[in-house]
Amino acid sequence: GAGVSQTPSNKVTEKGKYVELRCDPISGHTALYWYRQSLGQGPEFLIYFQGTGAADDSGLPNDRFFAVRPEGSVSTLKIQRTERGDSAMYLCASSIQGQETQYFGPGTRLLVL
Amino acid sequence: ELKVEQNPLFLSMQEGKNYTIYCNYSTTSDRLYWYRQDPGKSLESLFVLLSNGAVKQEGRLMASLDTKARLSTLHITAAVHDLSATYFCAVDESAGGTSYGKLTFGQGTILTVHP
Repeated sequence: GAGVSQTPSNKVTEKGKYVELRCDPISGHTALYWYRQSLGQGPEFLIYFQGTGAADDSGLPNDRFFAVRPEGSVSTLKIQRTERGDSAMYLCASSIQGQETQYFGPGTRLLVL
Repeated sequence: ELKVEQNPLFLSMQEGKNYTIYCNYSTTSDRLYWYRQDPGKSLESLFVLLSNGAVKQEGRLMASLDTKARLSTLHITAAVHDLSATYFCAVDESAGGTSYGKLTFGQGTILTVHP
């Protein structure tokens, strides 16, 4: 079946701009996660949704980052006033109910110039 | 704060040799994952280890978990070039079978297998 999909695959923006990154989880997966991976590092947790609600947003670095999942399926990660330090690979993952293996999407590579 | 450390961070192996990657973590957990990442790609799930003493094997890779020692190992047997990739362990701060959702990843081990 279809895996986790993310769009766009690459995003180049200028410092100070607003960006939205989209994640479409595996059908039927109620848990959805966002991670950020910098070059040469392991992924770092950002936020975890169980259904429509954010069960844990402790990894969001500051209030420029926000994520939504209004219908419990697709999620959007929103970054305001982007900074060069936001450049990274943004990974989305989903799992059946939050108790099992997380399946990762292909990621969105964000470059802030 | 949960810390996850892998070693070695870089591993250069000859084909046909055996080696072990270690993953240590700092707090109680009984749920650990191993992932593989090829350059420029996303993460592929390899193993899920859910209890003390768990051992899983797939092909030339075998993973184990010792929750008392807070240690997991990923053993490579008779390495082949196709195993070249970055390997991550990831720990879920779970307790009593309840997952807390978020995973904390190690730094990754870059494995290169050469003839």
